[in-house]
Amino acid sequence: DVKVTQSSRYLVKRTGEKVFLECVQDMDHENMFWYRQDPGLGLRLIYFSYDVKMKEKGDIPEGYSVSREKKERFSLILESASTNQTSMYLCASSPPRPHQETQYFGPGTRLLVL
Amino acid sequence: GENVEQHPSTLSVQEGDSAVIKCTYSDSASNYFPWYKQELGKRPQLIIDIRSNVGEKKDQRIAVTLNKTAKHFSLHITETQPEDSAVYFCAARSGLGASKIIFGSGTRLSIRP
Repeated sequence: DVKVTQSSRYLVKRTGEKVFLECVQDMDHENMFWYRQDPGLGLRLIYFSYDVKMKEKGDIPEGYSVSREKKERFSLILESASTNQTSMYLCASSPPRPHQETQYFGPGTRLLVL
Repeated sequence: GENVEQHPSTLSVQEGDSAVIKCTYSDSASNYFPWYKQELGKRPQLIIDIRSNVGEKKDQRIAVTLNKTAKHFSLHITETQPEDSAVYFCAARSGLGASKIIFGSGTRLSIRP
């Protein structure tokens, strides 16, 4: 059974703080993703990674960076948090081909930036 | 790049009736179309998917249809039950061999008892 975990369920930070969101998967998946979920906007891709130390920008990368030093861990970094980054953040992973399409999501981190 | 539009944003149906959610995509090279269900307070989970070489796929009470010419695909839920209440997301995979999936904006489905 695939397990994707995120370091926090709820997080409150202040404007300007550096924020780290951690995601870990235990199924040796190559691909990992970070999304943010906002009402009426669905799931928007921030960054994804298809291998260790590899990263690709998604649709809304501005204000974010990522780190993938180990295969099982994918970190999302908010360099200087702003109030418009208040959101639900979802991590996902997917296995290698031919089953790479199925994405397994973590429980989400609800971030509030004050 | 790929764009996926989903309608309606909210849908309320009587228990036992059918529900239909529709999506359109822009990238004609898209070849994989999953549907995810997210129950309140839970993570999205894959419920059904379809590939571009198939026109329809069914799994018990849920079915998905794909019209490649029109770039439309739809989710059909028959004999709806209270546990079908959730937010449903359609998605399309963009690009050959890419793992990137573009999601629609979601449909909040409510089942009235």
